[in-house]
Amino acid sequence: GAVVSQHPSRVICKSGTSVKIECRSLDFQATTMFWYRQFPKKSLMLMATSNEGSKATYEQGVEKDKFLINHASLTLSTLTVTSAHPEDSSFYICSARGSFDFRDPSGNTIYFGEGSWLTVV
Amino acid sequence: KNEVEQSPQNLTAQEGEFITINCSYSVGISALHWLQQHPGGGIVSLFMLSSGKKKHGRLIATINIQEKHSSLHITASHPRDSAVYICAVDNDMRFGAGTRLTVKP
Repeated sequence: GAVVSQHPSRVICKSGTSVKIECRSLDFQATTMFWYRQFPKKSLMLMATSNEGSKATYEQGVEKDKFLINHASLTLSTLTVTSAHPEDSSFYICSARGSFDFRDPSGNTIYFGEGSWLTVV
Repeated sequence: KNEVEQSPQNLTAQEGEFITINCSYSVGISALHWLQQHPGGGIVSLFMLSSGKKKHGRLIATINIQEKHSSLHITASHPRDSAVYICAVDNDMRFGAGTRLTVKP
């Protein structure tokens, strides 16, 4: 079953509105979460890395005020696309790595969410 | 230049063939991941390697830290193996461009 749950899987929003995507670790504490974006037929692009309780580290070229990332608890990180525009339409994926993972006590395994399709109209 | 290079970009095989996908990287890493992405987007983590070799069913992954190179092998390939295979290096999660594999019956 899913180890990392992402919600919603698909969302359509109007241009100018904001949309929030949630990423939850289901049975381990996600000390680090990653957010990615993927354009059609392109590879994943890391947007930001967030550690629980601290500000996210954004990759070069990713607008911090546009893509707000919150990692307020050990099981939840959110990505909010603010004032969305059609060019923000994309596939967004999160992944998580952490502690108290009975599958991998080293905490090195990274688990991916199912992804969220965002369409801005 | 991408720090993670994958080859080939596209691969078409007949069912039953042995498949090899290669990944080279230019930075020091603590681990390398092989991922599988099916149409529709969902990603499955296949392997995480820091040394040597791992096997899971028909999938085998190897890594040579000195040469900064990893390979993913699929034995007795099947149409359901058709997907995009992506390698990613840890530390800061840099991804290869992916290899689109199509296995024909």
